[in-house]
Amino acid sequence: KQEVTQIPAALSVPEGENLVLNCSFTDSAIYNLQWFRQDPGKGLTSLLLIQSSQREQTSGRLNASLDKSSGRSTLYIAASQPGDSATYLCAVTGGTSYGKLTFGQGTILTVHP
Amino acid sequence: DGGITQSPKYLFRKEGQNVTLSCEQNLNHDAMYWYRQDPGQGLRLIYYSQIVNDFQKGDIAEGYSVSREKKESFPLTVTSAQKNPTAFYLCASSMGSRTPRAFFGQGTRLTVV
Repeated sequence: KQEVTQIPAALSVPEGENLVLNCSFTDSAIYNLQWFRQDPGKGLTSLLLIQSSQREQTSGRLNASLDKSSGRSTLYIAASQPGDSATYLCAVTGGTSYGKLTFGQGTILTVHP
Repeated sequence: DGGITQSPKYLFRKEGQNVTLSCEQNLNHDAMYWYRQDPGQGLRLIYYSQIVNDFQKGDIAEGYSVSREKKESFPLTVTSAQKNPTAFYLCASSMGSRTPRAFFGQGTRLTVV
């Protein structure tokens, strides 16, 4: 059974710092990996999707990498801002999941001015 | 605007009652999903549907039921058999291909009173 783990569980950084969030998964037979952002009491917003054949994706200050063989992904946030404060979740699909997502528990990010 | 609409935003259930959470999408997506989120935890899959008139159980289907009579609608009923229904419920949809990007609604918070 696929298991997804995110480290750290919480992270507090000063504004302007570059930071890395980590995600690991136990079964490397995935179709894709997605990073989501969740604000308190809200739904999920898709940030980046990396297909299994890709190594990384970039969107603005965000860069996500994927190493399928080692079962790891990182989300890099450059020049963090207070508006980046949220919970970040990674999720994978794979096997016969047909789009079903297996989620990690998330990293709570706080960027203070 | 295209998107996923969940209603109501807040729902209160008395002991022994069944309640239904609504999820509607106008993205023309084939697949729809229901997830449950508990504090400090990632999302867990309740039910999913790949096409109209077809749905499958997810990891925590006990005490829940769904229907998929229309492509755009996937309501979730929380029955009295669900012993701990207080949670945040999220509906999602995707194209249904092997590498779908998932789109989420804004969630319904269900509380047992």
